[in-house]
Amino acid sequence: AQSVAQPEDQVNVAEGNPLTVKCTYSVSGNPYLFWYVQYPNRGLQFLLKYITGDNLVKGSYGFEAEFNKSQTSFHLKKPSALVSDSALYFCAVRDGPYGNNRLAFGKGNQVVVIP
Amino acid sequence: GAGVSQSPSNKVTEKGKDVELRCDPISGHTALYWYRQRLGQGLEFLIYFQGNSAPDKSGLPSDRFSAERTGESVSTLTIQRTQQEDSAVYLCASSSHSGTGGRGELFFGEGSRLTVL
Repeated sequence: AQSVAQPEDQVNVAEGNPLTVKCTYSVSGNPYLFWYVQYPNRGLQFLLKYITGDNLVKGSYGFEAEFNKSQTSFHLKKPSALVSDSALYFCAVRDGPYGNNRLAFGKGNQVVVIP
Repeated sequence: GAGVSQSPSNKVTEKGKDVELRCDPISGHTALYWYRQRLGQGLEFLIYFQGNSAPDKSGLPSDRFSAERTGESVSTLTIQRTQQEDSAVYLCASSSHSGTGGRGELFFGEGSRLTVL
């Protein structure tokens, strides 16, 4: 079954510094990869996805992620973090297109951007 | 409305009571998911509906949990004889699947927070 690992519980970064949130995945076929963000007491919001094509994917709010097949990773990055980026970030993977349609989520990473 | 709507937003119940949680997906979305999010933990898959296909119930934690969906519309998640460990936020999401499925992102509701006393 597909799974995701987000190894760090919390990521602290100073405002204006680069932000990286790590994600590695495991699937039997080709991965469909997603990043979501959750602000306090809210549902999850979609940030970006990798399905096929260019390994560097750009998404909402200046975020991007790089798909690395050899390292089975899909790390989320932002060149210059804002205080408003403080939130819970989830990586997710689906075993597509011929696997089951379940979207498996990681445990999430709390990002704290320090002013 | 334009987004996924869930009700109630908060539910406090006594141990042993039954609860029903409702989800209105985005119109036209054929896929609907239920997830559970316990405090400080990730999202736990519960059940998946896709059009008129048989649902994927493999994530339901016990036979006290069940869910139904009317066509491609409203879904209800029912928890019978609630236990304290059922306390969590229950998130519903919908997605449009076209052609080979699974490419579409999920759109989440804001969740139903269940507290079992």
